[in-house]
Amino acid sequence: AQSVTQPDIHITVSEGASLELRCNYSYGATPYLFWYVQSPGQGLQLLLKYFSGDTLVQGIKGFEAEFKRSQSSFNLRKPSVHWSDAAEYFCAVGPYTGNQFYFGTGTSLTVIP
Amino acid sequence: DGGITQSPKYLFRKEGQNVTLSCEQNLNHDAMYWYRQDPGQGLRLIYYSQIVNDFQKGDIAEGYSVSREKKESFPLTVTSAQKNPTAFYLCASSMGFALAKNIQYFGAGTRLSVL
Repeated sequence: AQSVTQPDIHITVSEGASLELRCNYSYGATPYLFWYVQSPGQGLQLLLKYFSGDTLVQGIKGFEAEFKRSQSSFNLRKPSVHWSDAAEYFCAVGPYTGNQFYFGTGTSLTVIP
Repeated sequence: DGGITQSPKYLFRKEGQNVTLSCEQNLNHDAMYWYRQDPGQGLRLIYYSQIVNDFQKGDIAEGYSVSREKKESFPLTVTSAQKNPTAFYLCASSMGFALAKNIQYFGAGTRLSVL
């Protein structure tokens, strides 16, 4: 069965520190992978996506993610976190064509000055 | 500006009442989706529609109904049969259900509470 696991429910980092949010997936076929960000009371904004090719993908707001097939992971990283990055982050996996997307339960990021 | 508009932003339901959440998109997308979001549970799919006049149940369709009479509109009705409707509801759309490299785009959400 398809599933997405985000092991960290909540992470706190200091402003200017580096960040890594973990995502592991279980999927029977070639996955398409996504990271979304959600500010409180808002919808989800696409940060970045991986379809194929270079396993290191760049997104908006200075985020990047690396696809590691051997580890079934798609971790999100940022070299230097800003206070405005505080939000909820969701990893998602989707099929090559059609049908459902599967979302992780999210990681809440707190940034301290 | 192209996008997905959900209304209202906040909605209150009385006992035994049906309420309808609106979702409109001007992205010319064929596929539309409704998700329910509860704290700590991520997003759960309620219904999705691949094309006008067609829709399919998702994982938690009980107590909900939808229609897709126009390409740009996909309203969700929370019926009185839904005993625990308090949640944040998100509408999404994507270019094509059967297309490769499908990407979902989201509205700003509607928060539904029970009075």
